[in-house]
Amino acid sequence: NAGVTQTPKFQVLKTGQSMTLQCAQDMNHNSMYWYRQDPGMGLRLIYYSASEGTTDKGEVPNGYNVSRLNKREFSLRLESAAPSQTSVYFCASSDPTWTGSGYNSPLHFGNGTRLTVT
Amino acid sequence: AQSVTQLGSHVSVSEGALVLLRCNYSSSVPPYLFWYVQYPNQGLQLLLKYTTGATLVKGINGFEAEFKKSETSFHLTKPSAHMSDAAEYFCAVSPDGGTSYGKLTFGQGTILTVHP
Repeated sequence: NAGVTQTPKFQVLKTGQSMTLQCAQDMNHNSMYWYRQDPGMGLRLIYYSASEGTTDKGEVPNGYNVSRLNKREFSLRLESAAPSQTSVYFCASSDPTWTGSGYNSPLHFGNGTRLTVT
Repeated sequence: AQSVTQLGSHVSVSEGALVLLRCNYSSSVPPYLFWYVQYPNQGLQLLLKYTTGATLVKGINGFEAEFKKSETSFHLTKPSAHMSDAAEYFCAVSPDGGTSYGKLTFGQGTILTVHP
């Protein structure tokens, strides 16, 4: 009953280093998302993938790239980390199904990756 | 473009008191509205959502919210606070269902503290 699994949980990078945040879901969801959370700013969408094989930019995509490796996995890459990318990163998934009166699938979130860039 | 404003970054109540967390939104199309809760060091989990139909929505843990189109509000309430309700609460809006369903715009969050 894992749901959405993110690795690593914590990471410290130096400015200019690169890294990939991993996300996997076992709920057979079509859509997956990456959000970042900063104090006083709520969550902001970085990238999303509506279905396997597609990705698109969200509100704050600069400095990031994504890969939808397969239906289960959606990774987020920082090519050259900057202190402004210090944040908590959340992966989420959903599988909206129209019921006739609304969609019944909420976002399911992972527990986050806390990234510090020095 | 849609936006969400949560009034009050911190709300403090006594155990047993009414909880009221305020959320106002702007959206150019009929919105889907959500409240999420985040406990320390965890991801967000859905409390309740409004899509269509009844404007008073009941969620988990005794919370409810009312969609008021004329006031562009979606305030979250609970009649009697419990210590376990202490968490951060986020209001969010999606302009419509379909492929934008998960592309939520979040408010800045409200930290709820419950005093014994």
